[in-house]
Amino acid sequence: AQKITQTQPGMFVQEKEAVTLDCTYDTSDQSYGLFWYKQPSSGEMIFLIYQGSYDEQNATEGRYSLNFQKARKSANLVISASQLGDSAMYFCAMRHSGGSNYKLTFGKGTLLTVNP
Amino acid sequence: KAGVTQTPRYLIKTRGQQVTLSCSPISGHRSVSWYQQTPGQGLQFLFEYFSETQRNKGNFPGRFSGRQFSNSRSEMNVSTLELGDSALYLCASSPELGISYEQYFGPGTRLTVT
Repeated sequence: AQKITQTQPGMFVQEKEAVTLDCTYDTSDQSYGLFWYKQPSSGEMIFLIYQGSYDEQNATEGRYSLNFQKARKSANLVISASQLGDSAMYFCAMRHSGGSNYKLTFGKGTLLTVNP
Repeated sequence: KAGVTQTPRYLIKTRGQQVTLSCSPISGHRSVSWYQQTPGQGLQFLFEYFSETQRNKGNFPGRFSGRQFSNSRSEMNVSTLELGDSALYLCASSPELGISYEQYFGPGTRLTVT
């Protein structure tokens, strides 16, 4: 069964510093996609970044980058130059192929707090 | 382009009642998925629709059902509400089915069952 593990329930970081949010996954599929979402207190899930299992380069989107280590089955999110507005819940998710099924499996999330 | 919209945003119901939640995907998106989010269980997949067909269903009782219309709009229904159904219900849309397509989420419907 597919599983996403986020071992950090909460993280604190100082404004303008970088922070790494951990994510490990478990799947027997060869083809899968890894996603990170941000959920502010308002509740809406905001897509941040995507990494395909066959992508050799780590994905980057502005201040977000994904440190993808396929052999270790990890997909850590790195946020550079943290801002106060980055304070939110962060979810790692995997979309995998099971026949015609493409559901997203989410981790439990990491609550990031950015301190001024 | 307008994002995913969900109505209503907030809902209070009594045990035993039923409720229908609505989701309008991003224009052109054909896949709609529903998720339940609770503090205890986190985000759990409910079901996914594509071209008016349910393609996948999560591990929820039959009280939870849904459908998708020809314009890709989707509704989910929960019958005989229980206190444990209190949750944030999120709808997400994708252009197509496939592992590389990110899902864009709506703001959610917060359901409270009393």
